Amino acid sequence: AQKVTQAQTEISVVEKEDVTLDCVYETRDTTYYLFWYKQPPSGELVFLIRRNSFDEQNEISGRYSWNFQKSTSSFNFTITASQVVDSAVYFCALSEDTGNQFYFGTGTSLTVIP
Amino acid sequence: DAGVIQSPRHEVTEMGQEVTLRCKPISGHDYLFWYRQTMMRGLELLIYFNNNVPIDDSGMPEDRFSAKMPNASFSTLKIQPSEPRDSAVYFCASSFGRGTLAKNIQYFGAGTRLSVL
Repeated sequence: AQKVTQAQTEISVVEKEDVTLDCVYETRDTTYYLFWYKQPPSGELVFLIRRNSFDEQNEISGRYSWNFQKSTSSFNFTITASQVVDSAVYFCALSEDTGNQFYFGTGTSLTVIP
Repeated sequence: DAGVIQSPRHEVTEMGQEVTLRCKPISGHDYLFWYRQTMMRGLELLIYFNNNVPIDDSGMPEDRFSAKMPNASFSTLKIQPSEPRDSAVYFCASSFGRGTLAKNIQYFGAGTRLSVL
């Protein structure tokens, strides 16, 4: 079974639209960490955010916001007023306190059309 | 401060040849990871080191793959002999251990795009 599911393979939006990228995870650990990474066309993976399982407070950073809901095992990522520079593949990842494993989702390719 | 540095950025080789990928982690980081990214399988963890010691190599696909970390500032991933199915982007990442590994933020290099003809 997939530990991290990103059901949206590809999303296209017009510039200035808001877009939400979904991430659903599966774990039996009580202590775990969730991450989002951005992979722009240049190819490198850029760290965006880390949340731990005990902190369900939503986070906002500029146009980016994250909604962590343990009840639905989701850690969704919203970009407000999208820009062309937001075009990239976005990966959600899970790290469990036991097992020393890091699980990546399959990624969501976001295209922002000018 | 320099990030994770990988070389070469692109490698084209012929089947059967030996390929060596290189990685310099961020100074002070004590964990180093090697990943492979393909369209079919996404991002896969191949192996990781802690303080230069291999901890988990269960993701290494087969004996043709080997990885070493002779010191804290250098690691190699070697494929010998290479096969066309090894074509992928290989990423190196490093992190600084604070408590458990799970909470560490991994910082990635730009990757090496390998094409085996």
